[in-house]
Amino acid sequence: AQSVTQLDSHVSVSEGTPVLLRCNYSSSYSPSLFWYVQHPNKGLQLLLKYTSAATLVKGINGFEAEFKKSETSFHLTKPSAHMSDAAEYFCVVSDGDSWGKLQFGAGTQVVVTP
Amino acid sequence: NAGVTQTPKFQVLKTGQSMTLQCAQDMNHNSMYWYRQDPGMGLRLIYYSASEGTTDKGEVPNGYNVSRLNKREFSLRLESAAPSQTSVYFCASGSMTGQSPLHFGNGTRLTVT
Repeated sequence: AQSVTQLDSHVSVSEGTPVLLRCNYSSSYSPSLFWYVQHPNKGLQLLLKYTSAATLVKGINGFEAEFKKSETSFHLTKPSAHMSDAAEYFCVVSDGDSWGKLQFGAGTQVVVTP
Repeated sequence: NAGVTQTPKFQVLKTGQSMTLQCAQDMNHNSMYWYRQDPGMGLRLIYYSASEGTTDKGEVPNGYNVSRLNKREFSLRLESAAPSQTSVYFCASGSMTGQSPLHFGNGTRLTVT
């Protein structure tokens, strides 16, 4: 069985400072991992994905995430937060071919202060 | 470039009423999904359809039915709404493998009183 834990329900950062959103996962197989972002009253948008290629994955809007198998982690980072980064972020795990069986984390709400 | 389109955007029902949430995608995806989003719980899968003509239960199917009308359309029906079904509902579509990301609609905010 697969599961995902987002370690922070809320993160507050100042504009221009780094952002770190933490995600740990468990999976019986080689997982695929995703980060999605949800702005208020919108659907989820894919930020980046890991599917067993390079362990450091670059996504849109300056975000990147590193897959660490030994730590079962897939943390999301951005060097410098922008006001437009205020949103909710979801870490998602999939057991490769188990489409339809994506497991979502509970989400991390990011607040960016001027 | 519509992507995934959901209707309606908002709905208020009384307990016991029925309604159907509509979803259509124009990306020629085989798989379609219905999720519900509740605070602090992420998204939970209600039903999914791997391809036209097939549907399967997800994590929280009780109280819902679905119809895969054709490759583009996947509807979710609440036969007798309950307050516990107050939630935001998202439709998504994607390729068949778990390595491919999903594309989401903008959601339907449902309140059952």
